Amino acid sequence: GEDVEQSLFLSVREGDSSVINCTYTDSSSTYLYWYKQEPGAGLQLLTYIFSNMDMKQDQRLTVLLNKKDKHLSLRIADTQTGDSAIYFCAEMFYNQGGKLIFGQGTELSVKP
Amino acid sequence: DAGVTQSPTHLIKTRGQQVTLRCSPKSGHDTVSWYQQALGQGPQFIFQYYEEEERQRGNFPDRFSGHQFPNYSSELNVNALLLGDSALYLCASSSGQGAGKLFFGSGTQLSVL
Repeated sequence: GEDVEQSLFLSVREGDSSVINCTYTDSSSTYLYWYKQEPGAGLQLLTYIFSNMDMKQDQRLTVLLNKKDKHLSLRIADTQTGDSAIYFCAEMFYNQGGKLIFGQGTELSVKP
Repeated sequence: DAGVTQSPTHLIKTRGQQVTLRCSPKSGHDTVSWYQQALGQGPQFIFQYYEEEERQRGNFPDRFSGHQFPNYSSELNVNALLLGDSALYLCASSSGQGAGKLFFGSGTQLSVL
């Protein structure tokens, strides 16, 4: 089946690390993505990981993938107030022409 | 590089009307996908166009149709608008089907009254 789940809210203090979690159900997915959406805006691609990788690091962002548990996480180091936004996890199905299935989004609130 | 551009940014229509939304993909991209994002929800896949043909379709009625032009730009048409069609419509582009990087435009906010 196709289903992506995320917790709805996360609140952290400025300077702390944030960890946003996501679970997915279909093991045939090829790529897994993290997008950021600020109020009234479109989706900004933050990072993505190919399904044969365990980890990817890009500056303050670290993505961990546990294929056995179908669990994806995004860690943001040294979280800033500008990181406040909604974060979406998505999985892509290559055998379905690159269709993305999104979670509901996690609203990250960073308090000074 | 202009990125993915969509027009218009906002649109107000009444029930039963028809609407056309437009998308220009990022330079070098040949595949365009359309998504509907209802308030408070994640985006839902509508369909994807590649080589001027609809390649994949999500669970949307036939009132939703599209087109891709030879320059890779695309249109989304919605007929017989319903109140429930009110949403942010997002266009995404990529190079080839199922490729890694998928970039989104800022969207068109459609309100149906």
